[in-house]
Amino acid sequence: GDSVTQMEGPVTLSEEAFLTINCTYTATGYPSLFWYVQYPGEGLQLLLKATKADDKGSNKGFEATYRKETTSFHLEKGSVQVSDSAVYFCALMSYGQNFVFGPGTRLSVLP
Amino acid sequence: GAGVSQSPSNKVTEKGKDVELRCDPISGHTALYWYRQRLGQGLEFLIYFQGNSAPDKSGLPSDRFSAERTGESVSTLTIQRTQQEDSAVYLCASSLSASGEKYNEQFFGPGTRLTVL
Repeated sequence: GDSVTQMEGPVTLSEEAFLTINCTYTATGYPSLFWYVQYPGEGLQLLLKATKADDKGSNKGFEATYRKETTSFHLEKGSVQVSDSAVYFCALMSYGQNFVFGPGTRLSVLP
Repeated sequence: GAGVSQSPSNKVTEKGKDVELRCDPISGHTALYWYRQRLGQGLEFLIYFQGNSAPDKSGLPSDRFSAERTGESVSTLTIQRTQQEDSAVYLCASSLSASGEKYNEQFFGPGTRLTVL
């Protein structure tokens, strides 16, 4: 079945550092790909998405590009802030199927 | 409020007791999902509803777990004879539809933290 693998956390960075959180997936067909974020004490919320190969999703300075050839959807941000500290979940949805989430990566940004 | 709401926010129960968790989806959302999130782990799919039917119950961990939904509104997740391994945060999400639109965004509630002593 479909699956999502994320880099293990926690990831600890200093403010203004460059962030990459790796995500790879296994799916039949061409799924849509998502990054969700869970801030401390809050529910999950959609950060960005991409629905087809080579699409780039972006929001709040975060970007991820749908790479079909490497089955990846790595999350990047050029300069992280303390307020970006959260747990990040990579997810996919194949048409007509349910969402499949990765295990989550906890990011801590230090001032 | 316009978001997904869940109640209670926290539930502590004794092993062997039954619990009911409630989810109120966003008005107009026909699809509703339940997930379980154990401490430090990702989301585990439990069940989803399209309207009040549940096409996919494959994620329910055992026959102690059941869920129902009234029309296109409230859903209740029931866990009978709770066990310590049931301790987790139970998350509910809703979306406009579970089919048709290829990438319907799921909107999540804040979750119910269940602790089984």
